[in-house]
Amino acid sequence: QVQLVQSGAEVKKPGASVRVSCKSSGYTFTSYAIHWVRQAPGQGLEWMAWISPGNGNTKYSQKFQGRVSITRDTSATTTYMELSRLTSEDTAVYFCARVGFGEPMGYWGQGTLVAVSS
Amino acid sequence: EIVLTQSPGTLSLSPGERAILSCRASQSVSSSSLAWYQHKPGQAPSLLIYGASSRATGIPDRFSGSGSGTDFTLTISRLEPEDFAVYYCQQYGYSPWTFGQGTKVEIK
Repeated sequence: QVQLVQSGAEVKKPGASVRVSCKSSGYTFTSYAIHWVRQAPGQGLEWMAWISPGNGNTKYSQKFQGRVSITRDTSATTTYMELSRLTSEDTAVYFCARVGFGEPMGYWGQGTLVAVSS
Repeated sequence: EIVLTQSPGTLSLSPGERAILSCRASQSVSSSSLAWYQHKPGQAPSLLIYGASSRATGIPDRFSGSGSGTDFTLTISRLEPEDFAVYYCQQYGYSPWTFGQGTKVEIK
């Protein structure tokens, strides 16, 4: 069965960076894109970026351009989202989701809480 | 960027009642690229509807989607206790992908 398992919660200080991982299993890793979405406390869902694990192509939301980097390790079937220059406004739950061509987000990771506090 | 506006913000209903949720886009969205998700606290969102009107695998038929162009609707015909949650529409046809701000369906 398709599973996306994310790394555990993180607490970071302002200005630091955080890396969240998303391990995929149960399907051909290189055949589906991985998207990243976040939800800040009391807010809605916000799309951040995606990566095509097959060729490493990426696309970032303009809001996060220059601060976010999505990478993948095909041998580990794992995708990574790194967000730098953190502020308190980056406190959120971060989700990864699997997406097929022309499809919406059918499978999601369990979410990773990133808390930014001095 | 396509802005999706959902209404109402909150819907207070009783189990067994019908819920009608609206999603309006700032410009025309391909019907094949409009989805609805259910989101419960502490869980990941789950896909309900894709292509504006197709139910995802395992989704009961009390959930239905309709609409085209800039106006889309999610209807829950008879609310079950497990349906009280936040619902988001999303367009996935144009980059950047965007979500509506959500409609909370709460128990009256």
